[in-house]
Amino acid sequence: DSGVTQTPKHLITATGQRVTLRCSPRSGDLSVYWYQQSLDQGLQFLIQYYNGEERAKGNILERFSAQQFPDLHSELNLSSLELGDSALYFCASSPGQGRAYGYTFGSGTRLTVV
Amino acid sequence: GDSVTQMEGPVTLSEEAFLTINCTYTATGYPSLFWYVQYPGEGLQLLLKATKADDKGSNKGFEATYRKETTSFHLEKGSVQVSDSAVYFCALSNPLYGNNRLAFGKGNQVVVIP
Repeated sequence: DSGVTQTPKHLITATGQRVTLRCSPRSGDLSVYWYQQSLDQGLQFLIQYYNGEERAKGNILERFSAQQFPDLHSELNLSSLELGDSALYFCASSPGQGRAYGYTFGSGTRLTVV
Repeated sequence: GDSVTQMEGPVTLSEEAFLTINCTYTATGYPSLFWYVQYPGEGLQLLLKATKADDKGSNKGFEATYRKETTSFHLEKGSVQVSDSAVYFCALSNPLYGNNRLAFGKGNQVVVIP
């Protein structure tokens, strides 16, 4: 157990639907990162939050949004889902934002859009 | 932008063989470099890291040296075991951006045969 908890582990949904992925960071970590892993694109950075505030945005589609709550857990919302959104979505956390921090990853949510 | 390049294709080798996975990067300034490992069905785990030129990261028999002159961070292990079978990702973070987002390489599948 890495200390980063992601739910659900698996999600199957239809095109056009909306889903919410949840992440609880490791105790004491203030930064949360979301990544998408797919066979063709590899690991793509989506978005980062630090202590409730958005700090960096990567290749995140407008149909996707995220937030970090006061208790530091984070949610990634995916809407108007398309077949191409099928992927593994990872959450990671780190204590802060300094260059020396490595991440602790959760085990991911596998999203299948049918 | 910053990027990481890993050698193409899976790596298949016999137990006790020497492993090398090449990683080169493109970045402005002085990034931190990481190797992550992903076992089947799991999230990524930090294997080792180096934060400045000529630093050597090491863990579990794996080593990598931060070579600024060749912009490389090749992963090596002297004698692999079947349990080392996994996907290995090279990554960097750049303090110039004021956050800790990681840019990942495509990853290399390593298969160790008994």
